Amino acid sequence: DSGVTQTPKHLITATGQRVTLRCSPRSGDLSVYWYQQSLDQGLQFLIQYYNGEERAKGNILERFSAQQFPDLHSELNLSSLELGDSALYFCASSLGTSGRNEQFFGPGTRLTVL
Amino acid sequence: AQKITQTQPGMFVQEKEAVTLDCTYDTSDPSYGLFWYKQPSSGEMIFLIYQGSYDQQNATEGRYSLNFQKARKSANLVISASQLGDSAMYFCAMRAPGYNQGGKLIFGQGTELSVKP
Repeated sequence: DSGVTQTPKHLITATGQRVTLRCSPRSGDLSVYWYQQSLDQGLQFLIQYYNGEERAKGNILERFSAQQFPDLHSELNLSSLELGDSALYFCASSLGTSGRNEQFFGPGTRLTVL
Repeated sequence: AQKITQTQPGMFVQEKEAVTLDCTYDTSDPSYGLFWYKQPSSGEMIFLIYQGSYDQQNATEGRYSLNFQKARKSANLVISASQLGDSAMYFCAMRAPGYNQGGKLIFGQGTELSVKP
């Protein structure tokens, strides 16, 4: 158990819908990362927050947004869903953003868009 | 731009033997970090080992060691005495340097390791 929790574990929805994925980082970790894992794209970085502020952005679609709340939990919002958004979405947390600060990954949310 | 390349999509190893998983990277920044993660069939990502670009010695963590060859830009993972539970997907990753990168990880495509009894 990495200490990072993600809910829900599985999500099945239809095209055009909107979903929210939730992540609670390890106690004490200030940095939260979101990654998407799909068969064709592999593991891709989406976005990162550090202590409530957006720090880095990857190839995140405009239909996707995220935020980190004062209690440090984070939510990833996916809207106008398409079939191609079906993937495993990971949240990871770390104490710092450099050096040996490894990222601890949550169990992931598997999103299926029908 | 930074890039990680894992050229072995799949590998087999006999139980109790050692295996090397290849990883090459590309960056122009002198300061970087390299990570290996394991992803079993259950899906979770498990951190295995870290190597910093300025570390003088190769990293080791139990049965895992990292063969770091800076001049060749390679960071191969060596698993000694393979066990059946080592069967999984293995990802090499590099921490993108620079404050604005936020410490994000850039992943390779992964190598699927199968351990034979």
